[in-house]
Amino acid sequence: DARVTQTPRHKVTEMGQEVTMRCQPILGHNTVFWYRQTMMQGLELLAYFRNRAPLDDSGMPKDRFSAEMPDATLATLKIQPSEPRDSAVYFCASGRDISSTDTQYFGPGTRLTVL
Amino acid sequence: DQQVKQNSPSLSVQEGRISILNCDYTNSMFDYFLWYKKYPAEGPTFLISISSIKDKNEDGRFTVFLNKSAKHLSLHIVPSQPGDSAVYFCAASKGSNYQLIWGAGTKLIIKP
Repeated sequence: DARVTQTPRHKVTEMGQEVTMRCQPILGHNTVFWYRQTMMQGLELLAYFRNRAPLDDSGMPKDRFSAEMPDATLATLKIQPSEPRDSAVYFCASGRDISSTDTQYFGPGTRLTVL
Repeated sequence: DQQVKQNSPSLSVQEGRISILNCDYTNSMFDYFLWYKKYPAEGPTFLISISSIKDKNEDGRFTVFLNKSAKHLSLHIVPSQPGDSAVYFCAASKGSNYQLIWGAGTKLIIKP
């Protein structure tokens, strides 16, 4: 049963600290998406990759967020320095292709709390 | 500016009855709509979708209706079962654009 995995599942940190979230997409999927879900909003797209290349990260605050795919089995989202307003659940999703009609498969999320 | 709106944060339905979840959108360029279901501590999972060339799509107990003139879609679940208790997200996209625009979600509670 292939699934997207994310680590850590929960992270509590203090303001100003660096946070790294990791995602392992489903083997064979060539698109990876990072989303953020806050209390009052739906899912907000932060960045996405195709074949490990970043195609769009316009949803990310560039000054503090960065997303990379060091290899096909790992995607990372970093926040440095973290701020209390970054507290949210961060989801990674993967898919077979870039078309919006392709199903995105989500990981369980990383719940981030910045104190 | 929310382009996809789910105005009911929660909905409570008796087991066995019909659940109707609503979603409104503002962008007439959207041509593909999806519903995802999310359980606590899990990521969303795809449920059902509909293209703008259709007005109805059915999959077992789940049916999605699209009213383009009203810019409104709805998800019908019949009969509702306890396992349907979850948060339901509506999402939309346009053309070949990868980006899904999501609603804030509706929490469905199925009462025994």
